[in-house]
Amino acid sequence: EPEVTQTPSHQVTQMGQEVILRCVPISNHLYFYWYRQILGQKVEFLVSFYNNEISEKSEIFDDQFSVERPDGSNFTLKIRSTKLEDSAMYFCASSERPEDYGYTFGSGTRLTVV
Amino acid sequence: GDSVTQMEGPVTLSEEAFLTINCTYTATGYPSLFWYVQYPGEGLQLLLKATKADDKGSNKGFEATYRKETTSFHLEKGSVQVSDSAVYFCAPGVALSGGYQKVTFGIGTKLQVIP
Repeated sequence: EPEVTQTPSHQVTQMGQEVILRCVPISNHLYFYWYRQILGQKVEFLVSFYNNEISEKSEIFDDQFSVERPDGSNFTLKIRSTKLEDSAMYFCASSERPEDYGYTFGSGTRLTVV
Repeated sequence: GDSVTQMEGPVTLSEEAFLTINCTYTATGYPSLFWYVQYPGEGLQLLLKATKADDKGSNKGFEATYRKETTSFHLEKGSVQVSDSAVYFCAPGVALSGGYQKVTFGIGTKLQVIP
């Protein structure tokens, strides 16, 4: 069964450093998403991406964050100047038709900012 | 705005007990409705879905019916197993402009099934 692949599975970074979280969505999917889950808390929407542009972003997704689909297969989330409160699990998801099929999620990247 | 209300856990049941996890939502239009499950240490998996009123989604013995009149999508299972221990998220899809959809997650209900 096709999968959404996320790398790395765990990233430790120093506060103030930049990190790039990588995702390879399912190949025929057109809609892409990033969510995050702070330990023990709810799953929060960050951003959705369609047709090579952001279609929706949350309040969390401020200027510190950016997304790219650099080569037609990867979908990256960049966090500039990380803060302690950015420590969370970051989930990538993709969908062919979200209203019919929902999303397929990757297994997540655990980001720890120290 | 759009939101989802899900019963708080944790819920502890004995094996073979009946499970209900309540979920109600508010949304404009007619969202698709999903339940996702997160097993310990894993990501989110789609458990079941319903895309229109009165549809019943089902998978792995779990069921949920899209109740438009009560804006609810309660999750049920007749006989839970230890392997069902996980966190369950109710997740309505919210329609955005341009035909896009964003899934909004409830707080999650942790289910623990004891032998």
